[in-house]
Parts: sequence; structure tokens; C-alpha cells
Amino acid sequence: GQNIDQPTEMTATEGAIVQINCTYQTSGFNGLFWYQQHAGEAPTFLSYNVLDGLEEKGRFSSFLSRSKGYSYLLLKELQMKDSASYLCAVRDRDTDKLIFGTGTRLQVFP
Amino acid sequence: KAGVTQTPRYLIKTRGQQVTLSCSPISGHRSVSWYQQTPGQGLQFLFEYFSETQRNKGNFPGRFSGRQFSNSRSEMNVSTLELGDSALYLCASSLNSLTSGNKETQYFGPGTRLLVL
Repeated sequence: GQNIDQPTEMTATEGAIVQINCTYQTSGFNGLFWYQQHAGEAPTFLSYNVLDGLEEKGRFSSFLSRSKGYSYLLLKELQMKDSASYLCAVRDRDTDKLIFGTGTRLQVFP
Repeated sequence: KAGVTQTPRYLIKTRGQQVTLSCSPISGHRSVSWYQQTPGQGLQFLFEYFSETQRNKGNFPGRFSGRQFSNSRSEMNVSTLELGDSALYLCASSLNSLTSGNKETQYFGPGTRLLVL
């Protein structure tokens, strides 16, 4: 079957670091995406991982372990504007479809 | 470069009616995918169109259909609306078909929020 799991909600403090986890089970794997979605807005692309390891892009980093079916998104030096939903999506190699998790709603407090 | 645009942004319909939603992809992008987003289910893939052909389809009933025109603009139609069809419908465009490679990145439009009464 196909399943993507993320925590439903997380809270953190401005300036802190937060890690959002994503575990997946798909019949085939061909890449993992992270998207950010502010309330009432479209999802915007954050990162893409297809090989194991850490990809860093400014304050955001994304990690992938294919053998464990696991990824995380790391947000450093949190800002209030980082309050949003973070969507993990896996491309299934067999169907080419993007399977999305239900998203993690992050609230950043001052 | 203009982003993905969707019209209308908001729509209210009643059960049994049909609705057509429109999506204009980023200029030069030839693939358009449609998703349904609800609080409980998250983003669910509806279908992908590339070069006027449906390339992939999700697990939705036949009431949901779509098409793509020669200028890559796409429309999605839902017939015989049900209360459960109330959702945010998102369109996403990419340069090439999602079936063509693994790193193909999608860019989402603002969505059409549909409320079925």
C-alpha cells in the first residue's frame, strides 16, 4: 500500500530549530518533496531528495534515508513567517504519482 | 514570469449541479496536474495532462474529468456534485510530464475553493 505519515501539529519558538519528520511506505520510490503551504495559499516547493543524505538550502535542510523510508525537514532560526503547513510528498516509481501526506501545521510563537 | 493561475477562486454550487474549473500553467509548461485538498485527506491526486493527453489518473469517480487545450490551459469538470466534493482544488504545472523524470518540480496555483450546499 501507499502511506505517508507526518505529525499533525507542532509548535516552536522564534529563533529555535524544529525538525518535521515524515515516514513513507510506497510500492516504489522515486524522490521525496517538501512543500510549504501558508493558510489560504498555494503550496510552494521547498526541497527535493532522491539520494540518501542531507540537502541544505539556507535556513531549511531536508534529509532522506531510503532504507528507513524516512525524511525530515529541518528549519533553523525560526521566524514568525515560518508558521505554515509543511507537506511531505513521495513520487511513486511504479505509478509516477505524487503521494502527499496530510501535512504538519507548524506554529511559531514569539 | 507569471505563475499558475486558476479561475474562479471561489465557487458555491448545490448538490446535483456541475462545475468547470480552469487552470493556466506557467508559460512554457506543458504538464498540468489537478489535486483535491481537504482537511482530513490532504492533497489527493486527480489527474495529469500533458500535450492534451491524460497521462495519469487518481482514484476518483468518473464524475471527475478534465481536458487540456493546445495552449496547455486545462479545465476540470465535476458533474452531479455531492456535498463531499467541497474542497480546495489545486492545479500544478511543470515543464515536462511527471512521467518523464524524477526531479520534475510542480508549481501550484492558488486554488479554487468549491463549496457544495
